[in-house]
Amino acid sequence: EAGVVQSPRYKIIEKKQPVAFWCNPISGHNTLYWYLQNLGQGPELLIRYENEEAVDDSQLPKDRFSAERLKGVDSTLKIQPAELGDSAVYLCASSLGSREQYFGPGTRLTVT
Amino acid sequence: GENVEQHPSTLSVQEGDSAVIKCTYSDSASNYFPWYKQELGKGPQLIIDIRSNVGEKKDQRIAVTLNKTAKHFSLHITETQPEDSAVYFCAARGYSTLTFGKGTMLLVSP
Repeated sequence: EAGVVQSPRYKIIEKKQPVAFWCNPISGHNTLYWYLQNLGQGPELLIRYENEEAVDDSQLPKDRFSAERLKGVDSTLKIQPAELGDSAVYLCASSLGSREQYFGPGTRLTVT
Repeated sequence: GENVEQHPSTLSVQEGDSAVIKCTYSDSASNYFPWYKQELGKGPQLIIDIRSNVGEKKDQRIAVTLNKTAKHFSLHITETQPEDSAVYFCAARGYSTLTFGKGTMLLVSP
């Protein structure tokens, strides 16, 4: 069974440019999460979807970050415009309801 | 909100020794406590978890214990091997959100 798929794995952009990350969850998992992981820290939740509905986006900086999960399967996280402080690893995870969460490999973003 | 403290931040052991990582949490409503292993350049991998109605759980060389009264839980790895070297994260979940500790870098020397 395929795990959580994320792309790209690495992205380098200049500040003020837009960037997008894509995630495909484990087949059948209706809950999808986007996390931010800074160097030397644990993951921090940005947004949680149940099917196509964003049920917890309280930690998403909505002035520059947006996310969508239009058909309740794959999801896209966007940053526009990117800032130097956005350099981090962006992790996607999925679960069946509120059961165990399984993480993808992450996208390492570097903003120069 | 929930706050999870994890200790130590780094842990060095010799191959074959045991390793113990400890976490405390603040929200008494938390009822699910997973542990993740993260290798360099990879996403966190779930290695074991425990729910609040259980005090201990084992899976081969790893075990987790939970003390709900004291609000702390621990990961125990026995007979450590070099491939156990990684960053380990504890987490706690109450209603729906996982809150992670800051991680423990475990180094197992041959």
